[in-house]
Amino acid sequence: EPEVTQTPSHQVTQMGQEVILRCVPISNHLYFYWYRQILGQKVEFLVSFYNNEISEKSEIFDDQFSVERPDGSNFTLKIRSTKLEDSAMYFCASRLGQGLGGNQPQHFGDGTRLSIL
Amino acid sequence: GENVEQHPSTLSVQEGDSAVIKCTYSDSASNYFPWYKQELGKRPQLIIDIRSNVGEKKDQRIAVTLNKTAKHFSLHITETQPEDSAVYFCAATVGGWTGKLIFGQGTTLQVKP
Repeated sequence: EPEVTQTPSHQVTQMGQEVILRCVPISNHLYFYWYRQILGQKVEFLVSFYNNEISEKSEIFDDQFSVERPDGSNFTLKIRSTKLEDSAMYFCASRLGQGLGGNQPQHFGDGTRLSIL
Repeated sequence: GENVEQHPSTLSVQEGDSAVIKCTYSDSASNYFPWYKQELGKRPQLIIDIRSNVGEKKDQRIAVTLNKTAKHFSLHITETQPEDSAVYFCAATVGGWTGKLIFGQGTTLQVKP
């Protein structure tokens, strides 16, 4: 069964440094997402991406965050200048694009644990 | 605003008993309601979902019910087994076509052998 893959599984970075988290969505999917989960808390929406542009973003997704689909397979999340509070598990998800309304399953990757020191 | 409330936060049952987890949502335009199971340190895994044009859906020991009028939906697990122990999250799409999911706070289910 096709899967969403994410790299690295764990990233340790000094505060103020830039990080790039990488995702390879399922190949025929058209909608892409980033979510984050602070340890012990719920999953929070960050951003959705469709047709090579951001379709929606949350308040968390400020100017320090950006997303890109540099080629036909990768989908990246960049944090420009990391803060301690960015420490979390970051999940990438993707879904098919049949019809509108958002009512199709989203498949999650295994996540990248980001630790900011 | 956009909100999904989930109860209870923890649930402990004896193996073989049933477990019920309940969620309420605020956006009347929400039309898709997935349930995810998350084991420690792993990805959320979709276990069942329901769309707004359906009131109930069942898949073996798992069922989900939806009451659109009351804006709540529930997960039912029958004949629970120790391997059902995990954190369960409900979610709802909000805001339109983008598919943005808002998650509940999660329920830690413990099934005691």
